[in-house]
Amino acid sequence: DAKTTQPNSMESNEEEPVHLPCNHSTISGTDYIHWYRQLPSQGPEYVIHGLTSNVNNRMASLAIAEDRKSSTLILHRATLRDAAVYYCILRDRTSGSRLTFGEGTQLTVNP
Amino acid sequence: NAGVTQTPKFQVLKTGQSMTLQCAQDMNHEYMSWYRQDPGMGLRLIHYSVGAGITDQGEVPNGYNVSRSTTEDFPLRLLSAAPSQTSVYFCASSYSTQGIYGYTFGSGTRLTVV
Repeated sequence: DAKTTQPNSMESNEEEPVHLPCNHSTISGTDYIHWYRQLPSQGPEYVIHGLTSNVNNRMASLAIAEDRKSSTLILHRATLRDAAVYYCILRDRTSGSRLTFGEGTQLTVNP
Repeated sequence: NAGVTQTPKFQVLKTGQSMTLQCAQDMNHEYMSWYRQDPGMGLRLIHYSVGAGITDQGEVPNGYNVSRSTTEDFPLRLLSAAPSQTSVYFCASSYSTQGIYGYTFGSGTRLTVV
């Protein structure tokens, strides 16, 4: 599986947008970019995923660079409930792909 | 839908004891897997299954057994518990192993081995 690189931690203020970056310079053409988050004392939770085009859902937006070597998870208005560890993970489009977690980014949201 | 259900939520074992962590999903997902998460660390894959009757090892399989007799259930067995197995265990499922599908995780089992 191709590797991803994320900052260890980020801080944001409540009700402000948050941009969480992820670098994946060795991404292959068949890799989907997945984002999960893990709230304190809970299991990971799926957030969003995409292949080439930017994606939006009720939780967040995913902006994918044109060369696909990086992506950004965007939380439009951070809330205290968004404080979590965010994981950026690559998964191959073909069968047999497993979810491999890195260290993730610890997001702190200040009131 | 209940999603992925793990039982028990908490467990304390003595060294050498055995036990089974239960995982059940009601989404007709073919792929199921077990992860462990040690304090302050990311998740590591223990075992996984791509369908009933098929299992395989992940990154850290030693000391654990699995079986998959039905689509719905994927129990994890600790053969002889050791303090190094103190961790939080998460079960996850997905419709398929193809990258287009996301995973659903259970709420975890917090295991302490004394």
